[in-house]
Amino acid sequence: KAGVTQTPRYLIKTRGQQVTLSCSPISGHRSVSWYQQTPGQGLQFLFEYFSETQRNKGNFPGRFSGRQFSNSRSEMNVSTLELGDSALYLCASSLEGSLRSGANVLTFGAGSRLTVL
Amino acid sequence: AQSVTQLGSHVSVSEGALVLLRCNYSSSVPPYLFWYVQYPNQGLQLLLKYTTGATLVKGINGFEAEFKKSETSFHLTKPSAHMSDAAEYFCAVSGNAGNMLTFGGGTRLMVKP
Repeated sequence: KAGVTQTPRYLIKTRGQQVTLSCSPISGHRSVSWYQQTPGQGLQFLFEYFSETQRNKGNFPGRFSGRQFSNSRSEMNVSTLELGDSALYLCASSLEGSLRSGANVLTFGAGSRLTVL
Repeated sequence: AQSVTQLGSHVSVSEGALVLLRCNYSSSVPPYLFWYVQYPNQGLQLLLKYTTGATLVKGINGFEAEFKKSETSFHLTKPSAHMSDAAEYFCAVSGNAGNMLTFGGGTRLMVKP
């Protein structure tokens, strides 16, 4: 069973550009969450999608957006990149709609490492 | 609201020694607690999860954690450290609904030969 696949794994952008990151969840998983990981701020929740609907959103500016497609694949977009957006962006998928549901857990991908110059 | 505090951003142990990584949480609802491990250039791998019931939870790779409500703690232990345990460890708590996790700052475990 394939895991969570994130593409691209590494990318370099310059300030002011925009970037799109892709996440393919485990087959059958309907929930996709995104997290930003930086040395200074640690792991921070960006947003969560379930059945194509954004259910939760973290405390990030509107430059950060996402969407989920009917096949559960998800993309996140960051517009007008800033130096501080340099981070590892992690995607996680889960089968059910809540971590408080039975054995439901988040399975993470390897991440997309974004460097903004 | 939920929050997690991991005491000690760096922990160093000798190979074969006890591993103890500390985690304290705050939660407005009965907590569901998790420990994840991250190896260099990789994502997060689930070690174990506490939901309800038995307070001692066993996970993969010989790790276990004990939920102590009175101390609001969920410390991770392993009786004997192995070199392959060197990694960063994250404690997390889930919210009231959905699949959102709130993570602690992480603890980097170093294992000396």
